Amino acid sequence: AQSVTQPDIHITVSEGASLELRCNYSYGATPYLFWYVQSPGQGLQLLLKYFSGDTLVQGIKGFEAEFKRSQSSFNLRKPSVHWSDAAEYFCAVGYILTGGGNKLTFGTGTQLKVEL
Amino acid sequence: DGGITQSPKYLFRKEGQNVTLSCEQNLNHDAMYWYRQDPGQGLRLIYYSQIVNDFQKGDIAEGYSVSREKKESFPLTVTSAQKNPTAFYLCATSDRGLHGYTFGSGTRLTVV
Repeated sequence: AQSVTQPDIHITVSEGASLELRCNYSYGATPYLFWYVQSPGQGLQLLLKYFSGDTLVQGIKGFEAEFKRSQSSFNLRKPSVHWSDAAEYFCAVGYILTGGGNKLTFGTGTQLKVEL
Repeated sequence: DGGITQSPKYLFRKEGQNVTLSCEQNLNHDAMYWYRQDPGQGLRLIYYSQIVNDFQKGDIAEGYSVSREKKESFPLTVTSAQKNPTAFYLCATSDRGLHGYTFGSGTRLTVV
């Protein structure tokens, strides 16, 4: 069974500082990995995804993530955090269902607070 | 403007009543999903449907029911059998292939 661990429940960074959110996955085959962001009371928005190829993936809003198979990790990074990045971040691992749909398993999320 | 509409945004019900949450999409996506979100527990899959008139149970289907009579609609009924129904409910869709999900803005259900 697939699973995702986000070891940090809360992270606080100063505006302008760099950010790294950790994600570890467990999956028997080649993983398909995602990062989503959620503002309070809203749905989730896709930041980036990894399927294959280059292990460094660029996403929206200046985020990037690096896939490391040897460490079963897919950490999210941003060089300089803005106050508007304060939100909850979810890592997910997924696969394609027989009928063409997707089955995603989500981590428990990391709440990011940005200090001005 | 393509998207997913979940209604209502907030819903209050008395204990023992069934309640139906609406999810409508105009993205022409084949698959639709219902997730439940509780603080500190992430998202848990309730039901999903990959095609009209067909759906499968997710990880926490007990106390919930769904229907998929139209491609655009995937309503979720929270029945009185659900022991702890107060939560934030998210509907999502996906196209064929592994593209990830598009999410609606959610419905917060409070049962008193």
